[in-house]
Amino acid sequence: SQQGEEDPQALSIQEGENATMNCSYKTSINNLQWYRQNSGRGLVHLILIRSNEREKHSGRLRVTLDTSKKSSSLLITASRAADTASYFCATDPDRGSTLGRLYFGRGTQLTVWP
Amino acid sequence: SQTIHQWPATLVQPVGSPLSLECTVEGTSNPNLYWYRQAAGRGLQLLFYSVGIGQISSEVPQNLSASRPQDRQFILSSKKLLLSDSGFYLCAWKVGRYNEQFFGPGTRLTVL
Repeated sequence: SQQGEEDPQALSIQEGENATMNCSYKTSINNLQWYRQNSGRGLVHLILIRSNEREKHSGRLRVTLDTSKKSSSLLITASRAADTASYFCATDPDRGSTLGRLYFGRGTQLTVWP
Repeated sequence: SQTIHQWPATLVQPVGSPLSLECTVEGTSNPNLYWYRQAAGRGLQLLFYSVGIGQISSEVPQNLSASRPQDRQFILSSKKLLLSDSGFYLCAWKVGRYNEQFFGPGTRLTVL
């Protein structure tokens, strides 16, 4: 399967704590993306990391990529109740292609308690 | 501004009935478009993608079909729905240089 797999499936933390989610995948990738989904809504793109990058930051988000281990992690620092959502990693396996196919994992359900 | 519409928002259909879900985008031309399905508690499965009018690629064999009659319109169809077709259907288009995707609000389909 080309899909990523997130770990853990569910994560429950208090406001102010950091949340770390992991993603493993099986094929070579062009890039890896993280998306967020609020219950019953569409997905929202959060951050993208290319295969030649190892770490990237965007606000309270930090993503790392280890292509030798075929894994990525998403860290949300100083979490807020509004961060409660499902988080998905998606892999783009098509190097040099504009097809734009993405393959998603099953997601991590993050709950942040006030 | 860039916008993506999906309708209907929710749909309840009996087994064996036909299906037509519509997705339209605004604020772009010649977009790559995608249909995904999300079963309850599961990740997204890529069903179809289209790089232009009349050009459809299927990712998995299934009971569904897709069409792209106009540049910014993408339709998902079925002649006879199965119980297993229930799910949350999402349309998306490629917006970024590195294949980032922008998603619509989705259609919740329940087949009874």
